Amino acid sequence: KQEVTQIPAALSVPEGENLVLNCSFTDSAIYNLQWFRQDPGKGLTSLLLIQSSQREQTSGRLNASLDKSSGRSTLYIAASQPGDSATYLCAVFTGANSKLTFGKGITLSVRP
Amino acid sequence: DAMVIQNPRYQVTQFGKPVTLSCSQTLNHNVMYWYQQKSSQAPKLLFHYYDKDFNNEADTPDNFQSRRPNTSFCFLDIRSPGLGDAAMYLCATSREAPGYEQYFGPGTRLTVT
Repeated sequence: KQEVTQIPAALSVPEGENLVLNCSFTDSAIYNLQWFRQDPGKGLTSLLLIQSSQREQTSGRLNASLDKSSGRSTLYIAASQPGDSATYLCAVFTGANSKLTFGKGITLSVRP
Repeated sequence: DAMVIQNPRYQVTQFGKPVTLSCSQTLNHNVMYWYQQKSSQAPKLLFHYYDKDFNNEADTPDNFQSRRPNTSFCFLDIRSPGLGDAAMYLCATSREAPGYEQYFGPGTRLTVT
């Protein structure tokens, strides 16, 4: 059974800091990995999708990497801003069960 | 803008009183999903439709049903809501079979009194 872990559950950083959010998964036989952002009381916004054959994807100040063999992904946020404060969830798609398995997320607070 | 829309955004229902949540999409995607997310928890897939084919998760309670009358609309019916069903309900779509990028709506917050 696929399990996705995101540690720590919460993180607070000062504005301007570069930061890395970690995601680990137990079954390396994934098709892809997706990072989402969730603001309080809102739905999920897709940030980046990495296919299993890819090593990384970039969008603006965000860069996501994937090391499938070790079951790890990182989301790098450059020059963090207070507007980046949100919960960041990673999810992996495993063909065996044909569904996304989510982590619980990391709640990020960027202090002005 | 093409998007996933959920109505209502907030729903209050009484214990045992049936409730229906609505999702519509302008993306013309073949797959629609319903997730349940409780506070500080990961979203949990309830079921999905691949076109007209309904796929129920093994651990989804019988209390939860879904309908997809056409490509654009999908409904979540909770036949007899219990206090434990209070949660955020998220609708999502993907262009093709599960495995494609999923796009989420804003969610419906359900309160059961």
